[in-house]
Amino acid sequence: EAGVAQSPRYKIIEKRQSVAFWCNPISGHATLYWYQQILGQGPKLLIQFQNNGVVDDSQLPKDRFSAERLKGVDSTLKIQPAKLEDSAVYLCASSLGVGTLAKNIQYFGAGTRLSVL
Amino acid sequence: SQKIEQNSEALNIQEGKTATLTCNYTNYSPAYLQWYRQDPGRGPVFLLLIRENEKEKRKERLKVTFDTTLKQSLFHITASQPADSATYLCALGQDMRFGAGTRLTVKP
Repeated sequence: EAGVAQSPRYKIIEKRQSVAFWCNPISGHATLYWYQQILGQGPKLLIQFQNNGVVDDSQLPKDRFSAERLKGVDSTLKIQPAKLEDSAVYLCASSLGVGTLAKNIQYFGAGTRLSVL
Repeated sequence: SQKIEQNSEALNIQEGKTATLTCNYTNYSPAYLQWYRQDPGRGPVFLLLIRENEKEKRKERLKVTFDTTLKQSLFHITASQPADSATYLCALGQDMRFGAGTRLTVKP
């Protein structure tokens, strides 16, 4: 079974530039998550999708971050404009969906490491 | 505000010993708690999930306990091996609030 795919693996940009990350979840997984992981910290949930609808985006800085999930499968996360403090690893995860707890187990991609200079 | 603390940033133990990692939380009542392993440059990998009404869960050399009164979970790795060296993260509840992780190093 293929895992969660993310691209690019690395990205270096200057502050005030824009950047986008792409995620392809495991086939059949209804729920998709984006996390931000700053060096030395645990992942922080930014947004959760159930199919193509947003379930939780309470920690997404909406003035500069946006995300969409195309047709309930792939997803993109965009930052516009980037700030120095956005330097982090952006992780995508997917799970089967809601219902039993087993369906909530998340499978993570390798992440995109963003450096903002 | 909700707070999740994992014991010491780093833990070094000798091969064959039992590693015990701690996850403490405040101002939160999660229905369940999960433990993940993260290797450098990789995403977290799910290890175990324990519900609030379960005291203990085991999987091979791994054991997790969950004490909702103490607001604490303990994660044990018995007969540790150098391959167990990684960062271990606890994550609470459906909103997946992660601790900062504990970096475990098992020395041969």
